Amino acid sequence: EADIYQTPRYLVIGTGKKITLECSQTMGHDKMYWYQQDPGMELHLIHYSYGVNSTEKGDLSSESTVSRIRTEHFPLTLESARPSHTSQYLCASRGWRAGYTEAFFGQGTRLTVV
Amino acid sequence: QKEVEQDPGPLSVPEGAIVSLNCTYSNSAFQYFMWYRQYSRKGPELLMYTYSSGNKEDGRFTAQVDKSSKYISLFIRDSQPSDSATYLCAMNAGGTSYGKLTFGQGTILTVHP
Repeated sequence: EADIYQTPRYLVIGTGKKITLECSQTMGHDKMYWYQQDPGMELHLIHYSYGVNSTEKGDLSSESTVSRIRTEHFPLTLESARPSHTSQYLCASRGWRAGYTEAFFGQGTRLTVV
Repeated sequence: QKEVEQDPGPLSVPEGAIVSLNCTYSNSAFQYFMWYRQYSRKGPELLMYTYSSGNKEDGRFTAQVDKSSKYISLFIRDSQPSDSATYLCAMNAGGTSYGKLTFGQGTILTVHP
């Protein structure tokens, strides 16, 4: 099992609240990613980082922000949650394994905004 | 138009069946092709990885890539109830893409005893 952890696993929160989804990995990977996944839909990249102090927006527009102060930590923040933010958020890191690079995923945070 | 289209839709097969999952893509820059398996309430896990065109076999699983047709497939032989999961194809252009993956929408597979 991959050493990448997301907390919380499930979160139900009211509209307008500020939330931070945590993601940590112990594999020393430089590249980390946040994907958004809705039922029956593909994973959409919303943020990525290729090292400390580097963050970029992904292909899907998102109102969230991220930071990368330490290699192992890549939190995602929503300043003011809305029902449209209800989704599953998956964190991943990418590193070498047996001659190729592999993306390792956390178990996800299922967010419901009411 | 989506960069990656995955079919079929939800699939229900009896134990022992051969399963075929497919994706087509439009971006000719994609060089790395993956299949991920995602169990309910879990994150995706890498199942198969292929670089460029060709076949790769791992136990009951075979991945095929045809870059000329922009088409990839995953075959599962002797399917088992434990194979019940969502299967996602994913692709990457390599180079300066920073490892970003583009996913298909997934196929939910149910294998019933």
